[in-house]
Amino acid sequence: DIQMTQSPSSLSASVGDRVTITCRASQSISSYLNWYQQKPGKAPKVLIFAASSLQSGVPSRFSGSGSGTDFTLTISSLQPEDFAAYYCQQSYSIPWSFGQGTKVEIK
Amino acid sequence: EVQLVESGGGLVQPGGSLRLSCAASGFTFSSYWMSWVRQAPGKGLEWVANIKQDGSEKYYVDSVKGRFTISRDNAKNSLYLQMNSLRAEDTAVYYCARIRDAYNIYWYFDLWGRGTLVTVSS
Repeated sequence: DIQMTQSPSSLSASVGDRVTITCRASQSISSYLNWYQQKPGKAPKVLIFAASSLQSGVPSRFSGSGSGTDFTLTISSLQPEDFAAYYCQQSYSIPWSFGQGTKVEIK
Repeated sequence: EVQLVESGGGLVQPGGSLRLSCAASGFTFSSYWMSWVRQAPGKGLEWVANIKQDGSEKYYVDSVKGRFTISRDNAKNSLYLQMNSLRAEDTAVYYCARIRDAYNIYWYFDLWGRGTLVTVSS
């Protein structure tokens, strides 16, 4: 099974900051990596699929990069509505797996 | 409106059973792989099961194999999760999710329901 490890588990940032979240897979997953945002009490929402493709309707301040085992989600300028939990997820092989999540909090 | 609506959650004793349903609307349900994803209280997301468009292929996480069964009724635009021999560790919000295949190879969850809470406790 493929293990997904995110870092950090949480971070504090201010509006306007550039934020980077990393995700590492326990083996190569090519570009089969997706990123989701989840706000409290709500369902997750996809931001990035195939490592770097922006889902329709998602603001361009979100971007993804990486391939193989190391991936990054970047928020170029943090907005108030971006304070949430973020999860990476691999769809390279069954069982699909998620990272443990990164909580982005207001500084 | 394109949406997924789960139902059927509730309180059940350990060893008991529960059947979750997910009603799809606003899109051609029979054209998509579908999935169940769960989230224990205060914890992260866990993939549970996938089912192919015609129900001919099903995949499960090891922890639910032999206890949970995913199924669908395309005539009713509905997805189901039959959960037997429930354990305390199955306590979670269960989300129904639509699977999208970008470029026919990259799979991801592009539509989620609001979830239904399953609590396993005596």
